[in-house]
Amino acid sequence: AQSVSQHNHHVILSEAASLELGCNYSYGGTVNLFWYVQYPGQHLQLLLKYFSGDPLVKGIKGFEAEFIKSKFSFNLRKPSVQWSDTAEYFCAVKPGGSYIPTFGRGTSLIVHP
Amino acid sequence: SAVISQKPSRDICQRGTSLTIQCQVDSQVTMMFWYRQQPGQSLTLIATANQGSEATYESGFVIDKFPISRPNLTFSTLTVSNMSPEDSSIYLCSVTGGSEAFFGQGTRLTVV
Repeated sequence: AQSVSQHNHHVILSEAASLELGCNYSYGGTVNLFWYVQYPGQHLQLLLKYFSGDPLVKGIKGFEAEFIKSKFSFNLRKPSVQWSDTAEYFCAVKPGGSYIPTFGRGTSLIVHP
Repeated sequence: SAVISQKPSRDICQRGTSLTIQCQVDSQVTMMFWYRQQPGQSLTLIATANQGSEATYESGFVIDKFPISRPNLTFSTLTVSNMSPEDSSIYLCSVTGGSEAFFGQGTRLTVV
């Protein structure tokens, strides 16, 4: 079975700092990759996704992620965070043909104004 | 996209009692999923609910503890039975559409 590891469980940054959240997965076949975000008091929602093509994908609110197949990684980045980025971030992996994603344990990001 | 309404949003329950969580989707979907999110841990799939058939449970979850109903293509319930403090968690309903997962706002359950 596949697994997803998020290396940073808690991250605290000041506004304008750069962000990179690590995500590694274990699965040898074709995968779909996702980052979800949960703002305080809100639903989990999709931030960005990778299915195929350009391994650098851009999502909402200035976030991007890079798929590095050789490293089984899908790290999330943002060059300059804002206070409103304070949220919980989840990496998810779904094998091609499967309906069900496997989630990482999440990273809590706090951005100080 | 799909909009999912889940209720209750939170509850505090006595041990030994049961709580039923409702999930309503604004469109017809074949599969609905129930997850548990324990503090500091990832979302763990409890079961997959298809309309007209019994739910399929993941390892570590059983029907007696987490009975699920799926009476139609837009609605499902999850019951947490005979609760203990270890059941304190956030329970999430989810559906998929176009390979993307959509979630309800979750039910935060505290068992005392």
